[in-house]
Amino acid sequence: GDSVTQTEGLVTLTEGLPVMLNCTYQTIYSNPFLFWYVQHLNESPRLLLKSFTDNKRTEHQGFHATLHKSSSSFHLQKSSAQLSDSALYYCALSNNNNAPRFGAGTKLSVKP
Amino acid sequence: DMKVTQMPRYLIKRMGENVLLECGQDMSHETMYWYRQDPGLGLQLIYISYDVDSNSEGDIPKGYRVSRKKREHFSLILDSAKTNQTSVYFCASSSTGDEQYFGPGTRLTVL
Repeated sequence: GDSVTQTEGLVTLTEGLPVMLNCTYQTIYSNPFLFWYVQHLNESPRLLLKSFTDNKRTEHQGFHATLHKSSSSFHLQKSSAQLSDSALYYCALSNNNNAPRFGAGTKLSVKP
Repeated sequence: DMKVTQMPRYLIKRMGENVLLECGQDMSHETMYWYRQDPGLGLQLIYISYDVDSNSEGDIPKGYRVSRKKREHFSLILDSAKTNQTSVYFCASSSTGDEQYFGPGTRLTVL
């Protein structure tokens, strides 16, 4: 079945440094939707980015990601981390045929 | 207003008691979900509902059942709650295959 693999565990960065959280996926379907969700402490997950278009960069709130079907990847990037970016980030995969799959989540901690 | 609501927000029950968690959405989404979230385990799918009376097990359905009699409402039922069901439960809704909108969560403690 479908699966999503993310950068594991905790990523700790200093404010101002670039962010890259890895996400790769497996699916037999040719047109998956890929998502990044962000969950701040004591809040619920909310959508950060989504894409279903191969090789097209999508951006929101300073974050960007590009779906690369050739490598089954949808890495999340930001040029300069802010303290407020500290949160739990989930990569997720969806298609019209199966239940959506979430990765295990990556906790990003940005320090001053 | 695109919203998913959950009731109650906090609940304390004793082991063996029945638990009812309720979820509503105002977006006419056909698909609704129940997840639990435990530290270090991420979001685990309990049940998915594709529409009224069209429910499927997720990854961890044991000990849970669901009911969806109206498109806008999706209930999670724990018959005879166990201490290992202490968790935060999230409901979500979506159009099929698209982004999910999450409710605020219910923090359930089973003593």
